[in-house]
Amino acid sequence: KAGVTQTPRYLIKTRGQQVTLSCSPISGHRSVSWYQQTPGQGLQFLFEYFSETQRNKGNFPGRFSGRQFSNSRSEMNVSTLELGDSALYLCASSLAAGNEKLFFGSGTQLSVL
Amino acid sequence: AQTVTQSQPEMSVQEAETVTLSCTYDTSESDYYLFWYKQPPSRQMILVIRQEAYKQQNATENRFSVNFQKAAKSFSLKISDSQLGDAAMYFCAYRGLYNAGNMLTFGGGTRLMVKP
Repeated sequence: KAGVTQTPRYLIKTRGQQVTLSCSPISGHRSVSWYQQTPGQGLQFLFEYFSETQRNKGNFPGRFSGRQFSNSRSEMNVSTLELGDSALYLCASSLAAGNEKLFFGSGTQLSVL
Repeated sequence: AQTVTQSQPEMSVQEAETVTLSCTYDTSESDYYLFWYKQPPSRQMILVIRQEAYKQQNATENRFSVNFQKAAKSFSLKISDSQLGDAAMYFCAYRGLYNAGNMLTFGGGTRLMVKP
């Protein structure tokens, strides 16, 4: 069974641009969560989607958005990139919302220049 | 809001020895889950062990065990017979039982080095 797949693995953008990151959950998983990991702030929850609906949202500005498709694949978008958005973005999937067994992908490393 | 604190930024252990990683948390909830995750250089977070707060018995997974002290809000991870493959970042995490979905609150992490 394939694991959680995140694309791309690495991304370089400049300030002011926007970026879209993709996450394909494990087959059969319907919940997808996103986390931002930085050296300064550590791991922070961005949002969670279940059955195409946002279930929870972390304390991030509106520039950060996401969506989930009917096949459970999810994308997150960051508009008007800032230098501080440079981070590893991790996606995790689980069978259902609130299911404690989370499976993480290897992340997308975003660098904003 | 819940907070999770890992006071040891780095720890070192000799191969085959035992090491304990510390974690404290703050919450006003009575029911919750606690986790230890491992993040190797591949960056993928891997669940090591999970503890339900309503269970008094400490969780154990092979060489990994926890010491859960609910009143003290302490949740330490003990790794026995340390192996070179245990070298990684370890994160302690908290999740509320109700209405939290998969929203985890993580500690700052402890880098574990294993010496051969």
